Amino acid sequence: GENVEQHPSTLSVQEGDSAVIKCTYSDSASNYFPWYKQELGKRPQLIIDIRSNVGEKKDQRIAVTLNKTAKHFSLHITETQPEDSAVYFCAALKGEYGNKLVFGAGTILRVKS
Amino acid sequence: SAVISQKPSRDICQRGTSLTIQCQVDSQVTMMFWYRQQPGQSLTLIATANQGSEATYESGFVIDKFPISRPNLTFSTLTVSNMSPEDSSIYLCSVVPGTRGEKTQYFGPGTRLLVL
Repeated sequence: GENVEQHPSTLSVQEGDSAVIKCTYSDSASNYFPWYKQELGKRPQLIIDIRSNVGEKKDQRIAVTLNKTAKHFSLHITETQPEDSAVYFCAALKGEYGNKLVFGAGTILRVKS
Repeated sequence: SAVISQKPSRDICQRGTSLTIQCQVDSQVTMMFWYRQQPGQSLTLIATANQGSEATYESGFVIDKFPISRPNLTFSTLTVSNMSPEDSSIYLCSVVPGTRGEKTQYFGPGTRLLVL
């Protein structure tokens, strides 16, 4: 079955710097990769996603890149702000026709002002 | 995206009892799921709630412990049965709205359960 590994587990950056979180997946048939942000006591919120027919997707300060050959994808946050502090989860949709998300372990991002 | 609500938002329960959690969506959705998030951990899929038929459970989760109902396209319940302190977690429902082929999942606000 699908396995998703996420690194690092914690990340501290200075306000204004960039943050990068990386994930690898095991099922080569997976074709959809969302990223969720979860603030303390809140629900996970989708911030960006990418499908396997695209190598990169950007939305303002957030971008996601996908390398299907290497089976890894990354979240890039530029010009970080204190409100970016949260737990970030990557996920992969299990199987080519699947609808079950398998989540990474999460990354605690702290943006220091 | 869909507007998703869960009841109760939190509860404190005694071991050996059962709690039923409700998930309500403001529009018909194709898929509904139940997840567990243990303290400080990631999200683990419990089961897919199938409309009009038995839920599909993931490895490690069984119907006797987590019975699920989905009577229509906007509502589902998850029951945590015969609770123990190890069941203390956040339980979240998620939905895939819209048309066939949609993949994006949206989460409900969660139910915070503490078992004493």
